[in-house]
Amino acid sequence: GEDVEQSLFLSVREGDSSVINCTYTDSSSTYLYWYKQEPGAGLQLLTYIFSNMDMKQDQRLTVLLNKKDKHLSLRIADTQTGDSAIYFCAEVDSGTYKYIFGTGTRLKVLA
Amino acid sequence: KAGVTQTPRYLIKTRGQQVTLSCSPISGHRSVSWYQQTPGQGLQFLFEYFSETQRNKGNFPGRFSGRQFSNSRSEMNVSTLELGDSALYLCASRGLGGPTDTQYFGPGTRLTVL
Repeated sequence: GEDVEQSLFLSVREGDSSVINCTYTDSSSTYLYWYKQEPGAGLQLLTYIFSNMDMKQDQRLTVLLNKKDKHLSLRIADTQTGDSAIYFCAEVDSGTYKYIFGTGTRLKVLA
Repeated sequence: KAGVTQTPRYLIKTRGQQVTLSCSPISGHRSVSWYQQTPGQGLQFLFEYFSETQRNKGNFPGRFSGRQFSNSRSEMNVSTLELGDSALYLCASRGLGGPTDTQYFGPGTRLTVL
């Protein structure tokens, strides 16, 4: 199927780490993406990982990829109130090249 | 480079009317995709255009249509509006629409149907 799954909500305290999880479906996806959406705005590309990598670090963001389990995670270190947003993971279908987005995880950071 | 632009940003219509939304992709990008986002249904794929041809289509009724012009700008049209069409409509562009092309989003058009 086409369902990319994410948990709906995550709440963390400011300064803690946040981990947002995603299970995707297409084992042939070349890139996997994380997008951030702030209230009333479009989706902003956060980071992506190439499928032959296990991990990618970009400042406070760490992406982990487990291809065997088709599991992707985004870790945000030292989470700030400005990180409160909805986070979407996405894969690209290897046949149609269509982006398949997850349901989105709403991250709430408590001061 | 300028980002993806969408016009108008906000729109209020009444049931039964029709609406046209516009999207200008990043310069050089030839693939444009449209999404509908509602609180209940999340992000739903409408369709993708590449070089003026519809390449992918989501599961929406025929009231939703789109087109792409030779300069890659795209429009989507919704006819006979229903209350449930109230949503944020997002447009995204990418280069050639291949499996390694990153998709960039516009700010969206907020449509309210009364």
